[in-house]
Amino acid sequence: DGGITQSPKYLFRKEGQNVTLSCEQNLNHDAMYWYRQDPGQGLRLIYYSQIVNDFQKGDIAEGYSVSREKKESFPLTVTSAQKNPTAFYLCASSTLGLAVLTDTQYFGPGTRLTVL
Amino acid sequence: AQKITQTQPGMFVQEKEAVTLDCTYDTSDPSYGLFWYKQPSSGEMIFLIYQGSYDQQNATEGRYSLNFQKARKSANLVISASQLGDSAMYFCAMRVSRGGGFKTIFGAGTRLFVKA
Repeated sequence: DGGITQSPKYLFRKEGQNVTLSCEQNLNHDAMYWYRQDPGQGLRLIYYSQIVNDFQKGDIAEGYSVSREKKESFPLTVTSAQKNPTAFYLCASSTLGLAVLTDTQYFGPGTRLTVL
Repeated sequence: AQKITQTQPGMFVQEKEAVTLDCTYDTSDPSYGLFWYKQPSSGEMIFLIYQGSYDQQNATEGRYSLNFQKARKSANLVISASQLGDSAMYFCAMRVSRGGGFKTIFGAGTRLFVKA
């Protein structure tokens, strides 16, 4: 079955630690995205990547970093510089990316990060 | 400013009845796309339906239809014959131009409760 997987489902971090969230897709999509969701709010874009070895900052990139070494994988690292990292993180992918109006994003199941 | 507004934080509907979830948007772009996503308690965002700004007919996908009123800048989601499994958060999103490409803006969501 094609889809997007994220791991772990729940993640706990101590203050000052970096953590990496995994996102893998087997949909053969070129574009991948990371969003953050806080209670009562919509999704906010952290980073996106349209092709391998290239990625761009979204609206709230500070304190986060990404890599895109393989088409299938787009891991997100939450660094100690992120002041309020407790949130729900969603990874998405799409066929054509941000150059196309009609491109539909498909999402993974999410990772809930809690800072202790 | 480009913005999506969902004014109903929560909605109740009786099973088997129809329900309308409101969404208004603000953009000066002549071309834009409108999406609806469902987020069950598991967290995954599920794509439901898409409407392009130049589409002449309202989009429909099974029990979902999008009531697109361009002059009013509204894109309400209509769910017919509600089922208990429709209980979830519903997000309206708009795709607009940004910096040579496009970006997707999400509303804050509406929580739908389906009563047996």
